[in-house]
Amino acid sequence: KAGVTQTPRYLIKTRGQQVTLSCSPISGHRSVSWYQQTPGQGLQFLFEYFSETQRNKGNFPGRFSGRQFSNSRSEMNVSTLELGDSALYLCASSSSGEGTYEQYFGPGTRLTVT
Amino acid sequence: GNSVTQMEGPVTLSEEAFLTINCTYTATGYPSLFWYVQYPGEGLQLLLKATKADDKGSNKGFEATYRKETTSFHLEKGSVQVSDSAVYFCALSISGTYKYIFGTGTRLKVLA
Repeated sequence: KAGVTQTPRYLIKTRGQQVTLSCSPISGHRSVSWYQQTPGQGLQFLFEYFSETQRNKGNFPGRFSGRQFSNSRSEMNVSTLELGDSALYLCASSSSGEGTYEQYFGPGTRLTVT
Repeated sequence: GNSVTQMEGPVTLSEEAFLTINCTYTATGYPSLFWYVQYPGEGLQLLLKATKADDKGSNKGFEATYRKETTSFHLEKGSVQVSDSAVYFCALSISGTYKYIFGTGTRLKVLA
């Protein structure tokens, strides 16, 4: 089974621009979560989607948004980029998103904002 | 609120030494507990998990026991290898929240 894939792997953007990151979950997985990883804050939960519905979101400003398509693929968007948005963005998929089920992570998208 | 606390790193050990990485949690309800490992330039990989009190998760020589009385899930390995050098994350999830909470990670460096 193919793992979680994320595109692009690396991205450089300028302040004020917007960016869209993509995640394809493991086949059959319907839950997709997004995390922001930085050296200072560690892994911070952004949001979780299941069957195109957002079921939970973390404490991030409205500039961060996401969506999930009917094939379970997910995208996250960050508008009006700030320098502090530079981070590794990780996507994880799970069969259900329920607490007893482990998540499988993609390799991440490294976003640099200049 | 729910949270995970891990010991500060980095942890530096010689090959074949015994490893313990401490993890304690605070949770409302009954969480499932996980250890993930992250190698340089990669995403996180599940190392082991435990879903109820007194469960022991194990994988690749690593073990951790879900201790409800001490709210802990310490990671142990009897004999580490250079290839175990990585960052280790403790995490919890509570059913119905659809959210995983991670500790800050502990970097392990094993010297030959």
